[in-house]
Order: sequence, then structure tokens, then C-alpha cells
Amino acid sequence: AQSVAQPEDQVNVAEGNPLTVKCTYSVSGNPYLFWYVQYPNRGLQFLLKYITGDNLVKGSYGFEAEFNKSQTSFHLKKPSALVSDSALYFCAVRDTTSGTYKYIFGTGTRLKVLA
Amino acid sequence: NAGVTQTPKFQVLKTGQSMTLQCAQDMNHEYMSWYRQDPGMGLRLIHYSVGAGITDQGEVPNGYNVSRSTTEDFPLRLLSAAPSQTSVYFCASSYSGRRQETQYFGPGTRLLVL
Repeated sequence: AQSVAQPEDQVNVAEGNPLTVKCTYSVSGNPYLFWYVQYPNRGLQFLLKYITGDNLVKGSYGFEAEFNKSQTSFHLKKPSALVSDSALYFCAVRDTTSGTYKYIFGTGTRLKVLA
Repeated sequence: NAGVTQTPKFQVLKTGQSMTLQCAQDMNHEYMSWYRQDPGMGLRLIHYSVGAGITDQGEVPNGYNVSRSTTEDFPLRLLSAAPSQTSVYFCASSYSGRRQETQYFGPGTRLLVL
């Protein structure tokens, strides 16, 4: 069965510092991996995805993520955090060899960027 | 494009009542899905569809029905509401091709079951 783990409920970082939001996954086949962001009382917005190809994926608002197959991780990173990055971040996975279109989301990590 | 729209934005139901949450998209996406979001649980997939006439169950399908008669619409039906169905519901849609596979989410429906 596929699963996603976001081990940190909350990450605090000072403005201007680099940030990392962690995600590990478990699938039996080849994964598609996604990061979404949710601002208060809003739906989720797409940030970036790994489908195939380069392990380093660049996305919206200066975010990037690295697909690491050996460690089954897809951590979200940004070199310099902004206060406006404060939000709830979700990692998601789909097992493309399962024959289904079931996406599994992590429980979310709240990012707080302190001025 | 309006994107993904959901109605109503907020609803209060009594236990045992039924209702339909509406979801529509104008992007001609094949894939549509329904999630519920609960504190500490993330998003959990309820049902999904890969095209008109095709639906399948997600992680938490019990108590919910769906149908997909058109590409644009994917309503979610609660047959007999229970307090455990109090949640925020999100609809999403996507192309299902490799490089185009990105889910677009609606603004959500907040449901309170008393």
C-alpha cells in the first residue's frame, strides 16, 4: 500500500534563512510526487511535481524539491524564506503502477516564517 | 476559466439528512476527485473518476456516493449525514497524462453535521 509521511507537524524558520519541509513516501512501483500549499480558508495550490527526469524539480515561488529514490524522499526546499511563505504544506504521491488514480496525501506541515 | 467551482461554501445538516455537494470544472479535465480534510489527518480521498461514466472508491468512501454523467460535473452525495462527516470537502480535477498531471482544487465546502 502506498503512504506518505511528513514527520514534522510544524517547522519554524527565520526570514531569510533556508527552509526544508520533509516528505518520505512508500509505493511499490514508480511514484509521481507532488507538493501543494494551502493558505488559510483556501483550497490547495500546486507548487511542483516529480514525474520523471531530473531529480531536482523547480516550482512556483522559488521552491524546489529533490527526488531521492534510495531514501524514498521528496523534501521541499527554498534558499531564503519569506514571511509570506507561512502556510500549510502537503506532500502527495500516486503509484503509477497500481492501475488506479489514487493520490495519497501526507498529514501536512505548518511552516511559520518569523520576521 | 472559472477553474474548479464548489457549492455551497458552507452547510449545516442534521443527522440523517441528505445533501449533494456540487463540483464543476471548465478545463475539460478527465480526472476529478473528492477529498475530505480533517485536522491532523491531511486530505483523504473519498471517490474519484477518470472520465464520464467511470468512478472508483478512494480511502474513505463509506457514506458517500458519486456519479459522473458529464466531463464537467462530479457531485458528491451524502445519503444520511452523520456527525463524523463534519469536515471540509475539496473537489479537484486534472488531466491524466504524464506531464499534465496536476490537480487543481476548488475552494472547499465546510460541512457541519449536528
